[in-house]
Amino acid sequence: IQLTQSPSSVSASVGDRVTITCRASRVINRALAWYQQKPGEAPNLLIYHASSLESGVPSRFSGSGSGTDFTLTITNLQPEDFATYYCQQFNSYPVIFGQGTRLDIK
Amino acid sequence: EVQLVESGGGLVNHGGSLRLSCAASGFTFSAYNMNWVRQAPGKGLEWISSITGGSDFIYHTDSVRGRLTISRDNARNLLYLQMNTLRDEDTAVYYCARDPGSAAHTPWFDLWGQGTLVTVSS
Repeated sequence: IQLTQSPSSVSASVGDRVTITCRASRVINRALAWYQQKPGEAPNLLIYHASSLESGVPSRFSGSGSGTDFTLTITNLQPEDFATYYCQQFNSYPVIFGQGTRLDIK
Repeated sequence: EVQLVESGGGLVNHGGSLRLSCAASGFTFSAYNMNWVRQAPGKGLEWISSITGGSDFIYHTDSVRGRLTISRDNARNLLYLQMNTLRDEDTAVYYCARDPGSAAHTPWFDLWGQGTLVTVSS
């Protein structure tokens, strides 16, 4: 299974809405997670099972999709949201991550 | 406090060995499957290996099978990664990560350590 994220990078402003897409090379049902990683830090789980919000994660983060196409949406962007985002499939081994999407301040 | 703390990274010669440790605290370590994920400098995330709570099942990515071996000591709440025959491409930050599930399934990761840097020098 391969995961392809798009775009590879995106620029946005505080208050904007951003959507990141993750496409799997074959059906993975809803076995997809999203992570946020800031420079010098470990990744942080945002979403699992495609749309379940991890405890403590702000509700401006949401996930959707099933099968092969998935999206992470961030509404009302906050300064702390500028980071790199990764999708990850857990339908079957080997565990695969997408290549990442860097979200920069415009 | 629920946390994972890695140690054991450093500079090692090409072909050398190193053992990483991950100390777990604040949760019932034996109840969780555990994993190693690495990140080469400036690159993305790469899953390396998983081990179930009772060490019944172990999985490795193909590129490390036979060289990097995961294990755990539930009595001491420790996860290990034994790294042998190290190559330049093994240079990375190595993270231990917890899988919130307990069955033998493909994991996702709800708790991460801060990472430990391994640098392989040729």
